[in-house]
Amino acid sequence: SQQGEEDPQALSIQEGENATMNCSYKTSINNLQWYRQNSGRGLVHLILIRSNEREKHSGRLRVTLDTSKKSSSLLITASRAADTASYFCATERAGAGSYQLTFGKGTKLSVIP
Amino acid sequence: DTAVSQTPKYLVTQMGNDKSIKCEQNLGHDTMYWYKQDSKKFLKIMFSYNNKELIINETVPNRFSPKSPDKAHLNLHINSLELGDSAVYFCASSRLGGASGANVLTFGAGSRLTVL
Repeated sequence: SQQGEEDPQALSIQEGENATMNCSYKTSINNLQWYRQNSGRGLVHLILIRSNEREKHSGRLRVTLDTSKKSSSLLITASRAADTASYFCATERAGAGSYQLTFGKGTKLSVIP
Repeated sequence: DTAVSQTPKYLVTQMGNDKSIKCEQNLGHDTMYWYKQDSKKFLKIMFSYNNKELIINETVPNRFSPKSPDKAHLNLHINSLELGDSAVYFCASSRLGGASGANVLTFGAGSRLTVL
């Protein structure tokens, strides 16, 4: 069953602006991951945040996690045209021996030069 | 040097035919997956193999049969293709319990299957 739901489904911004994408999920998790998919390509892992973490940074990426609300957000600062892609959250469900990743439907980001 | 490679990249075939997609990873990972991405970009897991053993088998028609000859390869064979099988199929791999303790996937570029 689908675990993550991204919001918005599509986002269009000007180069230089910040982009924020949200993800909500349903069950307890070990960690939440964000992936990027360029058109016609496979998914690429961006960043991971564990269930006991609240915020994580990697370059221009900032991820937050609120386990009480079962939600996460991905912020891309100072966006570039090359950031144009679909972004997916994926959750690793909590539980002994659990490792399966469940993906959301993604947010399609368009950065206009 | 591609970490996860799958072939073919494009596959166009008629309904009722049988086809295979192959996947190989050179990362030394112990777990491999097949995901299906539909036209709305929804990514759904189909199968997962750990050390050549099937560990995830989601509700997938038995026309789909995975086969893992060794840890580095996971192939997907599809019998009696139907229109609804048209999608992009992604192979992925990971090392369970790796250094990070989390399951991080490396994906192939995808195989776009079109059934006419």
